[in-house]
Amino acid sequence: RKEVEQDPGPFNVPEGATVAFNCTYSNSASQSFFWYRQDCRKEPKLLMSVYSSGNEDGRFTAQLNRASQYISLLIRDSKLSDSATYLCAVNARDYKLSFGAGTTVTVRA
Amino acid sequence: DVKVTQSSRYLVKRTGEKVFLECVQDMDHENMFWYRQDPGLGLRLIYFSYDVKMKEKGDIPEGYSVSREKKERFSLILESASTNQTSMYLCASSSRPGGPTNEKLFFGSGTQLSVL
Repeated sequence: RKEVEQDPGPFNVPEGATVAFNCTYSNSASQSFFWYRQDCRKEPKLLMSVYSSGNEDGRFTAQLNRASQYISLLIRDSKLSDSATYLCAVNARDYKLSFGAGTTVTVRA
Repeated sequence: DVKVTQSSRYLVKRTGEKVFLECVQDMDHENMFWYRQDPGLGLRLIYFSYDVKMKEKGDIPEGYSVSREKKERFSLILESASTNQTSMYLCASSSRPGGPTNEKLFFGSGTQLSVL
């Protein structure tokens, strides 16, 4: 079983829609959780960390469910510029992040 | 602006060649990483280093080695390139755990390696 798994999508949504997707992790000892964004042919960049109580950054909301071992990302009021691949990352040990394969989101006009 | 620089954006090599991928960061980060990214498989960790001259195997170290002689530079070496090493290679760095940005990875723009 992979350490981190994501629905690859693609999620095709119209502008203004809400889109949400999850990422599951296998190691119950995981301590830190992140969402990275990767544009086509570019490097991943940190979008946001995921805190136990859930957190928001503008139109983006991240949640952690430790009992079911998944994190989620919700994007409200989608913009064309939100089109990207979203990678979840989980850190169970020092120094090392394990990444999911990514969820592709395409926002159409 | 923080920066992780990879020496080449595209590389084409022949099977059996020795290949060097170079990565330099200017953030005085302790930790440096090499990942490869393949469609459907995501980023997989090859090697990482948490200090000069230190290295640790990641999830897929076979066929690779690394060198970290200076803090800012982390090199990935393919001893004898094979076609299954055709991939996007991403270098990243981060500061030491315990700091406020301890787990934020800064990535280079990647090297697309093709082995023919």
